[in-house]
Amino acid sequence: DAGVIQSPRHEVTEMGQEVTLRCKPISGHNSLFWYRQTMMRGLELLIYFNNNVPIDDSGMPEDRFSAKMPNASFSTLKIQPSEPRDSAVYFCASSLMGFEKLFFGSGTQLSVL
Amino acid sequence: AQSVTQPDIHITVSEGASLELRCNYSYGATPYLFWYVQSPGQGLQLLLKYFSGDTLVQGIKGFEAEFKRSQSSFNLRKPSVHWSDAAEYFCAVDERDDKIIFGKGTRLHILP
Repeated sequence: DAGVIQSPRHEVTEMGQEVTLRCKPISGHNSLFWYRQTMMRGLELLIYFNNNVPIDDSGMPEDRFSAKMPNASFSTLKIQPSEPRDSAVYFCASSLMGFEKLFFGSGTQLSVL
Repeated sequence: AQSVTQPDIHITVSEGASLELRCNYSYGATPYLFWYVQSPGQGLQLLLKYFSGDTLVQGIKGFEAEFKRSQSSFNLRKPSVHWSDAAEYFCAVDERDDKIIFGKGTRLHILP
């Protein structure tokens, strides 16, 4: 299995631009999570889906952030408009059974200038 | 609200020496407990987890952790570290409400 696949690996954009991060979970996994990692705040859960349905989005920082999971094999995290404080590494993770064992992708390093 | 504390931001040990990374949590009951490892430029990988039963848990790569209810701790140990163990280690808890909270991490440095 290829594991959780995230794209792009690196994204550099200017303030105000729209950013879309993509994630392909492991086939057969029914839970998908988006995390953000920064030096100051560590790993923060942004949102998670179970069977393609958003279960908890309380970690999404503001309305500028949105996430979708149109099917079991694809999810996006969108930031519109982006701001410099959104610069971070964004991780997608999937699991077969909730939080019991998460499999992480390699992350997207986002830099907003 | 639950929290996870990893008191040591950085730890340096010599190759072959023993290792203990500290983790404390705050929660009234026993949560689910995890240790993850993150190598540079990579996502996190599960080392081990504790849900119930035997308080000494064995994980991958020769790691183990012990749950101590009286101390609200779940420290990670390894008898003899290898240079390839250099990474960042994260303790995490799930209050059985399907919301996992990660500690800030401990970066492990290995001296040759």
